Amino acid sequence: GAVVSQHPSRVICKSGTSVKIECRSLDFQATTMFWYRQFPKQSLMLMATSNEGSKATYEQGVEKDKFLINHASLTLSTLTVTSAHPEDSSFYICSARDFGSSTDTQYFGPGTRLTVL
Amino acid sequence: SQKIEQNSEALNIQEGKTATLTCNYTNYSPAYLQWYRQDPGRGPVFLLLIRENEKEKRKERLKVTFDTTLKQSLFHITASQPADSATYLCALRGGNFNKFYFGSGTKLNVKP
Repeated sequence: GAVVSQHPSRVICKSGTSVKIECRSLDFQATTMFWYRQFPKQSLMLMATSNEGSKATYEQGVEKDKFLINHASLTLSTLTVTSAHPEDSSFYICSARDFGSSTDTQYFGPGTRLTVL
Repeated sequence: SQKIEQNSEALNIQEGKTATLTCNYTNYSPAYLQWYRQDPGRGPVFLLLIRENEKEKRKERLKVTFDTTLKQSLFHITASQPADSATYLCALRGGNFNKFYFGSGTKLNVKP
């Protein structure tokens, strides 16, 4: 099946610094990628939809200046958490849609655990 | 507002039995519904998709039903194994075809 990678898998940073997370589709092209965050024992919350070559669409309540998304190519989207604070600590997961598949399925990356001290 | 509900309590069953998980939704008319498996500290893995015009879908030991009148999907794992222990999420594709929304998941524990 289709593979989506994320890097890094874990990151610990100091409050006030920025952190970039990469999401790559390895064996298919993804014009659309999604970014989610997940708190312990809770559901995935959609943060934004990342579209190749255009601006990301953010969900209500998600600060676009705080969570910068860049979908630079058909296989890469990045999420930058700017001026991170402890409340930004969470599990961030990306997914990519394989429009070429018969099920129009989205495939998830393994996630990135962000801890802000 | 749109709501997707899954039983937040863990489901504990004995190996070999059938596990049945429920997904209910309100204020939605989904084109289709998906089920995912998520292991701790990992991203979800796609299992099955069922469309609004399908009543039932099967894949090996998995079966999904979709009742658009009741606004409910049931997810069954037959002959369950300890390796099936994980959290299972349902997801609905909304009227805006570009977005998916997830339930909170139900944790399944299969005891040997």
